[in-house]
Amino acid sequence: ETGVTQTPRHLVMGMTNKKSLKCEQHLGHNAMYWYKQSAKKPLELMFVYSLEERVENNSVPSRFSPECPNSSHLFLHLHTLQPEDSALYLCASSRETAPGYNEQFFGPGTRLTVL
Amino acid sequence: AQSVAQPEDQVKVAEGNPLTVKCTYSVSGNPYLFWYVQYPNRGLQFLLKYITGDNLVKGSYGFEAEFNKSQTSFHLKKPSALVSDSALYFCAVRVLMNRDDKIIFGKGTRLHILP
Repeated sequence: ETGVTQTPRHLVMGMTNKKSLKCEQHLGHNAMYWYKQSAKKPLELMFVYSLEERVENNSVPSRFSPECPNSSHLFLHLHTLQPEDSALYLCASSRETAPGYNEQFFGPGTRLTVL
Repeated sequence: AQSVAQPEDQVKVAEGNPLTVKCTYSVSGNPYLFWYVQYPNRGLQFLLKYITGDNLVKGSYGFEAEFNKSQTSFHLKKPSALVSDSALYFCAVRVLMNRDDKIIFGKGTRLHILP
């Protein structure tokens, strides 16, 4: 295991639901990331947190709302999603965001299906 | 524009044969290069990275990669493939954008090792 856990592993939700994805890292890292992995598309970086402060938001729709209460936990709150938001959502952590030679450790992902 | 490319969507190799998964990059400044592997229903796992020094980098599971500055390549190699190496492989490169470190991932190459 990589030391990064994600729950739930699978989630099915309707477009009007509100749900949250949870990520926890046990590695003592200071940086955490959310990625979206869709079929036939490159891995998309959504959000980056460094020491609980959001340092990057890659033009992600407001129906995705991240929260980082401490350096070990990261949440992704979901509301009024669209079917095209169905994807594998991956959480990752690294020692620091910079310099950029720190490898990232990924969780197993949450497979999200929006009906 | 800064980028990373994996020119092959799929690579098929017979078990026991050497394998190569290709990666080329275009960055400003010194490149930091990474390889990750993703097994089915799992997150990405770090394999190896090049920061500086010896052009041949050794990583996990018997994999190695060769940094070639003149060809701007960082191909992943293994002398003798195993069926268990079948997975999705991602090359990644650190880029500097607006003085911020970012890691961008290639689209991935699916490796099939044939028994």
